[in-house]
Amino acid sequence: AQKITQTQPGMFVQEKEAVTLDCTYDTSDQSYGLFWYKQPSSGEMIFLIYQGSYDEQNATEGRYSLNFQKARKSANLVISASQLGDSAMYFCAMRESRGANSKLTFGKGITLSVRP
Amino acid sequence: KAGVTQTPRYLIKTRGQQVTLSCSPISGHRSVSWYQQTPGQGLQFLFEYFSETQRNKGNFPGRFSGRQFSNSRSEMNVSTLELGDSALYLCASSLAGGVTQPQHFGDGTRLSIL
Repeated sequence: AQKITQTQPGMFVQEKEAVTLDCTYDTSDQSYGLFWYKQPSSGEMIFLIYQGSYDEQNATEGRYSLNFQKARKSANLVISASQLGDSAMYFCAMRESRGANSKLTFGKGITLSVRP
Repeated sequence: KAGVTQTPRYLIKTRGQQVTLSCSPISGHRSVSWYQQTPGQGLQFLFEYFSETQRNKGNFPGRFSGRQFSNSRSEMNVSTLELGDSALYLCASSLAGGVTQPQHFGDGTRLSIL
């Protein structure tokens, strides 16, 4: 079974609008971390935001917020006031705490295009 | 604070050759992980090193190996290169590699096999 599922193949958003990128995960661990990364066409992976499994509040980081619904095992990224520079691939990732699973596992990514 | 530095940025090799990629983590970071990214397979974990010890390993053949030095710098080696090894190889570092610590990535080494 896939650990991280990102099903939206491509997303389009108008500049200055908000957009939600979906991510669901699968784990039986109680302790895990969820991360979102941005990868522009140039290739570098940029860390955006982190949510811990025990965090009661949704994480926020500037224009990025994470809509964490633990019971549903979802960790959607919300980008407010989209900018042209937000056009990129976005990856959701999880790190579990147990032994062999303690590595960062990525979803397949979502392409976001911001229209002027 | 300098970020994660990977060298070289681009590399062209032929089948059967071997290659060594280098990664210098952010100062103070002791965990270094390596990933392979291809259009077909996405991002796949290769291995993680912490304090010169391999802590975790992905599902790759033994041709892929790595090591970490006492200054936390890491190298990755691929021997007997195959066409399918063409990929973007990303290195990431974190303080200690725990579940709460984000990994910070370098710009990657783009390896092309002819």
